[in-house]
Amino acid sequence: GESVGLHLPTLSVQEGDNSIINCAYSNSASDYFIWYKQESGKGPQFIIDIRSNMDKRQGQRVTVLLNKTVKHLSLQIAATQPGDSAVYFCAETAAGGTSYGKLTFGQGTILTVHP
Amino acid sequence: DAMVIQNPRYQVTQFGKPVTLSCSQTLNHNVMYWYQQKSSQAPKLLFHYYDKDFNNEADTPDNFQSRRPNTSFCFLDIRSPGLGDAAMYLCATSRDRGDGTQYFGPGTRLTVL
Repeated sequence: GESVGLHLPTLSVQEGDNSIINCAYSNSASDYFIWYKQESGKGPQFIIDIRSNMDKRQGQRVTVLLNKTVKHLSLQIAATQPGDSAVYFCAETAAGGTSYGKLTFGQGTILTVHP
Repeated sequence: DAMVIQNPRYQVTQFGKPVTLSCSQTLNHNVMYWYQQKSSQAPKLLFHYYDKDFNNEADTPDNFQSRRPNTSFCFLDIRSPGLGDAAMYLCATSRDRGDGTQYFGPGTRLTVL
C-alpha cells in the first residue's frame, strides 16, 4: 500500500548545528505534506507544511524542501537547540481518493540535541 | 489556550472493563480524528468524524467505538480492553476534510492491567 517512510530513525547533533531530517513518500498523488514534532508524553505539534506546487518553504529556524521527482521531503532545523529534541514525523495527504482528509505518517526520526 | 483537550491524561483500566476517553475542541472544526499510538510508532488512524458522518478505518477492531454528540466533543469507547490496547490515544481536529492540517491534543495514556 501507499506509505511514507524515513531514512534515519535516529539523529544526534550538537547544540548550534543544523539538523536535516529526511522522509520518502510513495504516493504520487500526495499534494500536501506536514512536519510534526512530538515531545515525550505529548501530542504531535504542527511545525511546517508545504503543498506540492512548491519546492521550498521557510519558517522560523525551519525549512521544508520537497522534491517531487524523487518523492522526497526534508526538514532542516537551523541552529538546533536542546528544546528541539523530540520525534519528528512527516505526514502526507492527497486532495482526493481514498486518502482524502487523512494523514499518512512516516515512521518518525528521533532527534537528540547534545548541549 | 488549549484548543484540543483530552481527558483524562492518564487512564488505568482492568482487562475487559469498558473505558471511555474524551476529547473536546474550541476550534469549531468540522472533522475530529482518533488515533492510536504505541511506543516508538507513528499514530495510527482509528476513525474520524466529518461533521456527523462517521468514517471507520477498515482495520479498526470492533472493540473500538466512537460518539460525537456535538461539534465540540468526541468520545472513544473501548468496550473490552485487552493488554494490546495499552497505548497513547490521540485526538485531532481539522477545519475541513480538504484541509490537511490536523491539530492534536495532548493524548490519553491508557494502561490495561
